[in-house]
Amino acid sequence: EIVLTQSPGTLSLDGGERATLSCRASQSVSSNYVAWYQQKPGQAPRLLITAASTRAPGTPDRFSGSGSGTDFTLTINRLEPEDFAVYYCQQYGNSPPTFGQGTKVEI
Amino acid sequence: QVQLQESGPGLVRPSETLSLTCAVSDHAVNSAFYWAWIRQPPGGGLEWVGTIFHSGATYYNPSLKSRLTISVDTSSNQFSLDLRSVTAADTATYYCARHSGSLWFGELLYGAFDTWGQGTMLTVSS
Repeated sequence: EIVLTQSPGTLSLDGGERATLSCRASQSVSSNYVAWYQQKPGQAPRLLITAASTRAPGTPDRFSGSGSGTDFTLTINRLEPEDFAVYYCQQYGNSPPTFGQGTKVEI
Repeated sequence: QVQLQESGPGLVRPSETLSLTCAVSDHAVNSAFYWAWIRQPPGGGLEWVGTIFHSGATYYNPSLKSRLTISVDTSSNQFSLDLRSVTAADTATYYCARHSGSLWFGELLYGAFDTWGQGTMLTVSS
């Protein structure tokens, strides 16, 4: 199975700053089928990005995804208070679907 | 808008069978979508457990396959999970979710998990 490694584990930033989150796969992800999710305490994950770079309906345009092959990035421009959360990448191009361990974005 | 709601016992004893149900609202489970279980141990990350299509076709995480059964009840618009011989390592919040997919030469091509239930916490303890 594909192992996803996210870095950093924790990102400490202020509101208005840019967050850059990395997700590295142990092998190339088929069709760049990587998704990003946001999870706040006590809530289910929420889908933000599909296919590496396509925003899901309702995802603000300050969120952008990029990357291909084994290296993928989620960028959050101009952090808003509601963006402080844990972010997970997930690959679904290869079976079984797998998730990274998460990056916490904190103030 | 589709809604998913998990239900379960909350507490299961070691070696017993965990049974969870996900009720789907405002969307037919026998649509073109696939239905999945995902779990998250306390303070931990996410793990895909398995997926079912309304036809009954199932796809399981290899690490759980020997203990897992996922089933669907189209008349009740819900799907269920049975996990046998549970241990403390199965303690987690269990989420049900929806994803798209397609078959390619008999193999499932997964989509992202676009809708999630709120989750149900399951503790394995004597």
